[in-house]
Amino acid sequence: KQEVTQIPAALSVPEGENLVLNCSFTDSAIYNLQWFRQDPGKGLTSLLLIQSSQREQTSGRLNASLDKSSGRSTLYIAASQPGDSATYLCAVVNNNDMRFGAGTRLTVKP
Amino acid sequence: GAGVSQSPSNKVTEKGKDVELRCDPISGHTALYWYRQSLGQGLEFLIYFQGNSAPDKSGLPSDRFSAERTGGSVSTLTIQRTQQEDSAVYLCASSLIGTIVNEQFFGPGTRLTVL
Repeated sequence: KQEVTQIPAALSVPEGENLVLNCSFTDSAIYNLQWFRQDPGKGLTSLLLIQSSQREQTSGRLNASLDKSSGRSTLYIAASQPGDSATYLCAVVNNNDMRFGAGTRLTVKP
Repeated sequence: GAGVSQSPSNKVTEKGKDVELRCDPISGHTALYWYRQSLGQGLEFLIYFQGNSAPDKSGLPSDRFSAERTGGSVSTLTIQRTQQEDSAVYLCASSLIGTIVNEQFFGPGTRLTVL
């Protein structure tokens, strides 16, 4: 059974800092991995989707990497802004099952 | 529509009552998914539809939970005889192609509170 872990559970940084969020999974036979952000009281917003054959995906200030063999993914946020404050979730798909991590709650202080 | 919509946004009910939660996926998306997010727990996959059929119902937490989808569009998640542990945010998502491996787009969720 796939287990997805996100570290740290919470992170607080000053505005402008670069940061890395971590996601690890136990079963490396994945189809893809997806990063989401969730704002309080709202649904999930898809940020980046990495297919199993890919090593990384980039969108604006976000870069997600995938290392299947070690069961790890990182989400790199450059030049963080207060608007980046949210909970970031990673989700892993294998077979017909999608498993989410518990999330990292990010606070970017002005 | 522009995105996945869910209704109601909030639902408060008494223990033992039945509730229906509705999801309108993005137009043209063939796959639809239901998740539950309980306080202090991660997102839990419940069920997904490929068209009107649900290949995998194993995620439904009990036989009080059922879901249907008609016309390949709107889906309803029904919880019978609600219990307090059913209190959670229920999220719906859809994707263009009907497998769980495709990128999913989420609705805002329905917050269910069972008193």
